[in-house]
Amino acid sequence: TQLLEQSPQFLSIQEGENLTVYCNSSSVFSSLQWYRQEPGEGPVLLVTVVTGGEVKKLKRLTFQFGDARKDSSLHITAAQPGDTGLYLCAGEKEEITNAGKSTFGDGTTLTVKP
Amino acid sequence: DTGVSQDPRHKITKRGQNVTFRCDPISEHNRLYWYRQTLGQGPEFLTYFQNEAQLEKSRLLSDRFSAERPKGSFSTLEIQRTEQGDSAMYLCASSLAQTSFSTDTQYFGPGTRLTVL
Repeated sequence: TQLLEQSPQFLSIQEGENLTVYCNSSSVFSSLQWYRQEPGEGPVLLVTVVTGGEVKKLKRLTFQFGDARKDSSLHITAAQPGDTGLYLCAGEKEEITNAGKSTFGDGTTLTVKP
Repeated sequence: DTGVSQDPRHKITKRGQNVTFRCDPISEHNRLYWYRQTLGQGPEFLTYFQNEAQLEKSRLLSDRFSAERPKGSFSTLEIQRTEQGDSAMYLCASSLAQTSFSTDTQYFGPGTRLTVL
């Protein structure tokens, strides 16, 4: 069983559409990160959220951390072909013994068609 | 370029051979992590160091896997007697942790793609 469940697994949309992808868990996380990964490359950090209910914006991307710090969402407005990639969420569980041990979801593969 | 670097980017080897990968972290970062990623999955945590101390190695996949960070700077990951199931992307990440128990943000290198024939 995945600690972090990401949905949908695959998403294919047209340029200009909006989309939301989700990262859910039954565990509480002290922090959660979103990464974007292109084929053959390492993940690139987009944002870190640490406070329940926190909302962060990065241009057309809006990230939200759930109030209970168990889930997160990523919303993209007016998607562009350059947004294509694998979107990964990762987090550290709240227990102190888990410091330094990030768990990743299996990601959402996004394809934006021109 | 001051990001995390990994060498080699690609490695093809025959089953049974030993391989070693190198990771150079961001220079001021005290933590260094190793992950494995297979196709269609997210990175899987293997081990991490705080300075030269290996703080977690229970998730190394088998006793064929070992990692070192002798001077608290670069790190190596060695796989002995490689098997076809070891084929994967091996990712390194680094971070700056304020305390031993602090939350930190990891920055990844480009990875080493291993293919075991």
